[in-house]
Amino acid sequence: SQKIEQNSEALNIQEGKTATLTCNYTNYSPAYLQWYRQDPGRGPVFLLLIRENEKEKRKERLKVTFDTTLKQSLFHITASQPADSATYLCGAGNTPLVFGKGTRLSVIA
Amino acid sequence: NAGVMQNPRHLVRRRGQEARLRCSPMKGHSHVYWYRQLPEEGLKFMVYLQKENIIDESGMPKERFSAEFPKEGPSILRIQQVVRGDSAAYFCASSSGGNNEKLFFGSGTQLSVL
Repeated sequence: SQKIEQNSEALNIQEGKTATLTCNYTNYSPAYLQWYRQDPGRGPVFLLLIRENEKEKRKERLKVTFDTTLKQSLFHITASQPADSATYLCGAGNTPLVFGKGTRLSVIA
Repeated sequence: NAGVMQNPRHLVRRRGQEARLRCSPMKGHSHVYWYRQLPEEGLKFMVYLQKENIIDESGMPKERFSAEFPKEGPSILRIQQVVRGDSAAYFCASSSGGNNEKLFFGSGTQLSVL
């Protein structure tokens, strides 16, 4: 069956460092990957979308890559800040979007 | 510009009762998705609807659960004869189209079954 795995349940990093989150998929050929941020008690908020024919996408301090050979996406937050602390969800599509369990990021001042 | 509206925010039901969760998509959006989230688990897809049509219900339990998105009014997720295992956060999302569209999520309904 289709599987989306985010390798780390939790990730702690120091403020100012780059956070790197991993998303792997199996038994699946998604046309695109999306990354969302979710804060406690709230719904997920869209951050970035990358299509299968794109290698990399950037938005401000965020960068996402898509490697169809490795079946993997990496999500980077550079110059991380305590306000970046949240759970980050990887979603793979075709429609409907299928999500991983998420990685809880804590940025320590 | 109102986002996706879900109500109620919190819903408490006793075992055997019915739960009705409502979702009004963003203005101009005709695609609605329902997801369920349990603590320490990811978002699990349940059902995908367009106006008056169910497009994909592969994630929805075959019994007790149903969903609709009428021509007028909000989308409704209905759970009949609730059991304790139905306790979860239910999120609705909407989009303007199908493939390659980002989703806009509501704040969710937290269902607690006593």
